Amino acid sequence: AQSVTQLGSHVSVSEGALVLLRCNYSSSVPPYLFWYVQYPNQGLQLLLKYTSAATLVKGINGFEAEFKKSETSFHLTKPSAHMSDAAEYFCAVTPRGGTSYGKLTFGQGTILTVHP
Amino acid sequence: DTAVSQTPKYLVTQMGNDKSIKCEQNLGHDTMYWYKQDSKKFLKIMFSYNNKELIINETVPNRFSPKSPDKAHLNLHINSLELGDSAVYFCASSHPGTGVYEQYFGPGTRLTVT
Repeated sequence: AQSVTQLGSHVSVSEGALVLLRCNYSSSVPPYLFWYVQYPNQGLQLLLKYTSAATLVKGINGFEAEFKKSETSFHLTKPSAHMSDAAEYFCAVTPRGGTSYGKLTFGQGTILTVHP
Repeated sequence: DTAVSQTPKYLVTQMGNDKSIKCEQNLGHDTMYWYKQDSKKFLKIMFSYNNKELIINETVPNRFSPKSPDKAHLNLHINSLELGDSAVYFCASSHPGTGVYEQYFGPGTRLTVT
């Protein structure tokens, strides 16, 4: 069974500082990986996805993530935080092929706070 | 031009009642899902339909019954509501296409059972 662990339930950064949100997965075969963002009282918005093309994936709003098979990680970064980045971020995985039909397994979420 | 919509956005009801949540997508996707987000913000899949056929049915009480009248709609009916059913329910849709199943989520329905 697949699982996802997000290290740190809360991350706090200053505006303009580097954002690093950690995600590690457990899977016998590298899965498809996703980062979603959830703003208060809203649904989830896809930030970016890894599907086995480039290991460095660029997403919306200046975010990017790097897939590292050796570390089973897919950490999310942004060089310079903006106040509007404050939200909760979820890492998710789905198995490749088979009969999963895209069933997403989510991490516990990381709340990002951005200070002025 | 909403991609995935859900109604109602908020639902407050008493224990023992029966309620339904509706979901519609205008993305032309074949696959739709229901997820539950609990009070700790943990998200877990409940059901999935592909072209009106149930393909994922997680360990969910049989008081929950999804129905897909067509591939653009997926509704969730809940019988005999319990306090523990209070949560935010998200609908999502995807198009298998390349096999990635990139999912697009609706705004959620916050269900409060009193």
